[in-house]
Amino acid sequence: DSGVTQTPKHLITATGQRVTLRCSPRSGDLSVYWYQQSLDQGLQFLIQYYNGEERAKGNILERFSAQQFPDLHSELNLSSLELGDSALYFCASSASDIGEAFFGQGTRLTVV
Amino acid sequence: GENVEQHPSTLSVQEGDSAVIKCTYSDSASNYFPWYKQELGKRPQLIIDIRSNVGEKKDQRIAVTLNKTAKHFSLHITETQPEDSAVYFCAASNPYGGSYIPTFGRGTSLIVHP
Repeated sequence: DSGVTQTPKHLITATGQRVTLRCSPRSGDLSVYWYQQSLDQGLQFLIQYYNGEERAKGNILERFSAQQFPDLHSELNLSSLELGDSALYFCASSASDIGEAFFGQGTRLTVV
Repeated sequence: GENVEQHPSTLSVQEGDSAVIKCTYSDSASNYFPWYKQELGKRPQLIIDIRSNVGEKKDQRIAVTLNKTAKHFSLHITETQPEDSAVYFCAASNPYGGSYIPTFGRGTSLIVHP
């Protein structure tokens, strides 16, 4: 157990819908990263938050947004969902901006 | 931005053999290089990492080497066992406005045959 908790584990939704993925980082970790892992793809960096503020953006679509709350948990919002958004979404946390990231178990999103 | 290339995409070995996975990166500012192991249906887990001030690091059967001049780093697994079968990801982490974002390779599927 990495200490990073993601909910839900599985999510099935229809095209055009909106979903929210939740991540609770390890106790004390200030940095949260979101990654998307599609079939046969590596881990694509989406966005990072550090202590409540957006720190870096990767290949995140405009239909996607995220935030980190004062208690440091983070949410990734995916809207106007398309079939191609089906993927495994991982959250990772680290104690600082530098150093190893610990991954949650992921949320498997299926868009039908 | 950083670009990480990882080879091979699939590696099949016999139990007891050694396995080597190689990665190259593009940004010379990268200075932290972790390796993750992802078993089927599970989360990526850090197995070893190396920072740019060292050239080699070893932990039991696994070792990582780094060549900053050539911008490549490698994972070496000796005496492979069936439980080593997994997808391995390399990553390079470089500063981005003061924050280090791991950029991952596409992964290597390691299959260890008993």
